[in-house]
Amino acid sequence: AQSVTQLDSQVPVFEEAPVELRCNYSSSVSVYLFWYVQYPNQGLQLLLKYLSGSTLVESINGFEAEFNKSQTSFHLRKPSVHISDTAEYFCAVSDIVAGSYQLTFGKGTKLSVIP
Amino acid sequence: DADVTQTPRNRITKTGKRIMLECSQTKGHDRMYWYRQDPGLGLRLIYYSFDVKDINKGEISDGYSVSRQAQAKFSLSLESAIPNQTALYFCATQGQPNTEAFFGQGTRLTVV
Repeated sequence: AQSVTQLDSQVPVFEEAPVELRCNYSSSVSVYLFWYVQYPNQGLQLLLKYLSGSTLVESINGFEAEFNKSQTSFHLRKPSVHISDTAEYFCAVSDIVAGSYQLTFGKGTKLSVIP
Repeated sequence: DADVTQTPRNRITKTGKRIMLECSQTKGHDRMYWYRQDPGLGLRLIYYSFDVKDINKGEISDGYSVSRQAQAKFSLSLESAIPNQTALYFCATQGQPNTEAFFGQGTRLTVV
């Protein structure tokens, strides 16, 4: 069975500091990788995704993630965080399970940006 | 109007009662999912469906059942609710495996 591991359940960081949220997944022949963000009292929204091609993918609000096949990782980074980035972030993998693609999520990382 | 609509948004029910959570979508997607979210456990897959005639169990299907009445509708039922089913439930749709999944706003269910 596929699995997604987010190594940190909570990450506090000061405003304008850099941040990295870590994600590792169980390997497979072909996977699609996603980061979703959940703001308080809301549903999940797509932040960015890796399908193929360039291993570095970017979002419109300054986040980026790098696909590393050898380390089966897809860590999320931002060079300078804002208060508005406070949210819970979920890494997700779309992979073949029992013959069909299934979307599996990690347990989430709560990012708290401190003024 | 939202692309993925869940009803009700909040529900309190008693132990042993049957309850249905409904999800409808206007995305035209074939793939639909039900997840539950618990603090510290992330989203866990309950059931998923890739077609009106296709129903698949997820990681935690015990105590739940689903019905895919049409491409646009996917309902989750708790036949006899118990307190540890208290959680936030999300419905999601997806066009293809390599595309974005769209989520509803969630249903907060409390079983007392």
